Amino acid sequence: QQPVQSPQAVILREGEDAVINCSSSKALYSVHWYRQKHGEAPVFLMILLKGGEQKGHDKISASFNEKKQQSSLYLTASQLSYSGTYFCGTEMGFHGSSNTGKLIFGQGTTLQVKP
Amino acid sequence: ETGVTQTPRHLVMGMTNKKSLKCEQHLGHNAMYWYKQSAKKPLELMFVYSLEERVENNSVPSRFSPECPNSSHLFLHLHTLQPEDSALYLCASSQGTVSYNEQFFGPGTRLTVL
Repeated sequence: QQPVQSPQAVILREGEDAVINCSSSKALYSVHWYRQKHGEAPVFLMILLKGGEQKGHDKISASFNEKKQQSSLYLTASQLSYSGTYFCGTEMGFHGSSNTGKLIFGQGTTLQVKP
Repeated sequence: ETGVTQTPRHLVMGMTNKKSLKCEQHLGHNAMYWYKQSAKKPLELMFVYSLEERVENNSVPSRFSPECPNSSHLFLHLHTLQPEDSALYLCASSQGTVSYNEQFFGPGTRLTVL
């Protein structure tokens, strides 16, 4: 039931791009993305609801492919501040809605951006 | 600063102790959550409270006992813990439990059980 994130870790130079994937074996209703810096609380990035929409702000965007039961987080022109561990949290859902607030998180992807 | 505070930030306790973790949110939210984050493991949802009612208990051992006296405060009472319970305990809140509500996390309590 836990979503699988890939890659587990990635090292970038400033200005490079990265993609983090989150895949589930179950039908998804929503996908949440969070970033956690070392010693800090996870911080919300964005939510994607079923419907295949793509969201983004600044140079971080994400897509949700309901059919493939996966979401991808895109980081373009990475900055040093992007370093941290990225988690996807998935909410299971079927044909109807799912309003439980119950998120199951992936194991995280550690991103390190170097100057 | 996310508007969610947790105390204490660090706690060391023996297996026979009883202690409590406290979480307070200043965001006017009506849903609160407890998560456990162990090293090299994903965030694990423990409990969900919505409008002070427990709506989710994720098969958590009874040595963890949550309490939500009002929509702004959440406690996690601990007793006779095991060393494997050592972890970072995160509290979060959201406007509701619907899918499009983001969760705001507190800084966590680092718990060590000796």
